[in-house]
Amino acid sequence: QQQVKQSPQSLIVQKGGISIINCAYENTAFDYFPWYQQFPGKGPALLIAIRPDVSEKKEGRFTISFNKSAKQFSLHIMDSQPGDSATYFCAAGDYAGGTSYGKLTFGQGTILTVHP
Amino acid sequence: GAVVSQHPSWVICKSGTSVKIECRSLDFQATTMFWYRQFPKQSLMLMATSNEGSKATYEQGVEKDKFLINHASLTLSTLTVTSAHPEDSSFYICSARDRWTSGSPLLQYFGAGTRLSVL
Repeated sequence: QQQVKQSPQSLIVQKGGISIINCAYENTAFDYFPWYQQFPGKGPALLIAIRPDVSEKKEGRFTISFNKSAKQFSLHIMDSQPGDSATYFCAAGDYAGGTSYGKLTFGQGTILTVHP
Repeated sequence: GAVVSQHPSWVICKSGTSVKIECRSLDFQATTMFWYRQFPKQSLMLMATSNEGSKATYEQGVEKDKFLINHASLTLSTLTVTSAHPEDSSFYICSARDRWTSGSPLLQYFGAGTRLSVL
């Protein structure tokens, strides 16, 4: 029930195209959904995050779409660029009833390659 | 933005020795720190969670005597891999969270990671 399933495992997009990565979760207690970008040999960096009270959040070329009833959320990268080539992780967490131990559960990751 | 500094970025050691990895929050107080392990082309696996001044909480299957975690101050946590063996070779990443002043109590900032190679 704690799993977050991410797809696809890898994605190849042409420059200027739209990259779409999907995640699904089971735990209805999850109420925080961030996306992280990781370059080889580096730690993950937060891209964008959403709470369940909105269905979409946009920051620059990155958009999160959230479907609470389907327990799914996705990342859309518009006008994809070669510099976007990286591994993307979705994650989910809950406020753990106010305790300090609110952990994030990560998806399996998607390797995105944007061809010039 | 919040910065988490992790050192060293890469360490090579002989089998049987111990290695210490430091994780510092540079511009905020980290009430909670997390340590992850990541194998090539795989996701992040949470090893343990620590609150400042408290003992770390280890995830199931993680040997607490092998992976010693200390979170003695609000800006520093250390992970010591004791008696390291080749199977401990991996990418270790810390993250830090400031429960009280960040935009979300779940917002985590990650260090750049430490690549450990045990010969």
